[in-house]
Amino acid sequence: NAGVTQTPKFQVLKTGQSMTLQCAQDMNHNSMYWYRQDPGMGLRLIYYSASEGTTDKGEVPNGYNVSRLNKREFSLRLESAAPSQTSVYFCASRPGQPYGYTFGSGTRLTVV
Amino acid sequence: DQQVKQNSPSLSVQEGRISILNCDYTNSMFDYFLWYKKYPAEGPTFLISISSIKDKNEDGRFTVFLNKSAKHLSLHIVPSQPGDSAVYFCAASGGDMRFGAGTRLTVKP
Repeated sequence: NAGVTQTPKFQVLKTGQSMTLQCAQDMNHNSMYWYRQDPGMGLRLIYYSASEGTTDKGEVPNGYNVSRLNKREFSLRLESAAPSQTSVYFCASRPGQPYGYTFGSGTRLTVV
Repeated sequence: DQQVKQNSPSLSVQEGRISILNCDYTNSMFDYFLWYKKYPAEGPTFLISISSIKDKNEDGRFTVFLNKSAKHLSLHIVPSQPGDSAVYFCAASGGDMRFGAGTRLTVKP
């Protein structure tokens, strides 16, 4: 029972570099989400995909892009990393409203 | 614009006593409320939820109370155990899901 799998678990980038965070779920969930967690800020929604083929902006989308590759996979791309994007990133999925999320274990990203 | 607020960053209680974690929200369109628990280096895990049509939901030692008129919900843990020590996030859903900043609960033996 893998649930939600995120890769990589840790990453250090230099300012201006690009990278893609990968997320895959094996629960046949329709909806997938990307959050970032910062101290004192809780979890803030970056982008989400309510169903395969759709993506929408969340609270803090600037500097990010997403791709819902298929029903299982939802990737998050940083085109030109900035120190302000240093954070822990969580991917989550759920069958749909009103069910709770299943979260991945997170990617800790540091931009220097 | 923080639509979900947890005003207590931390809470410390003695083992066996009650833990009460509080959460306030501003958006009256939220119709489903959830609590998540998070251990270090892990993703949050779903704990308990409540629909806006109810005012109480129980699951073992965990009870969530919802006061819609006050836009307030709380999580009660009775009795508290050392293994309950974690960060607890309140969340509200009305489409996407918004989270509070979290409360770090420490249960002392």
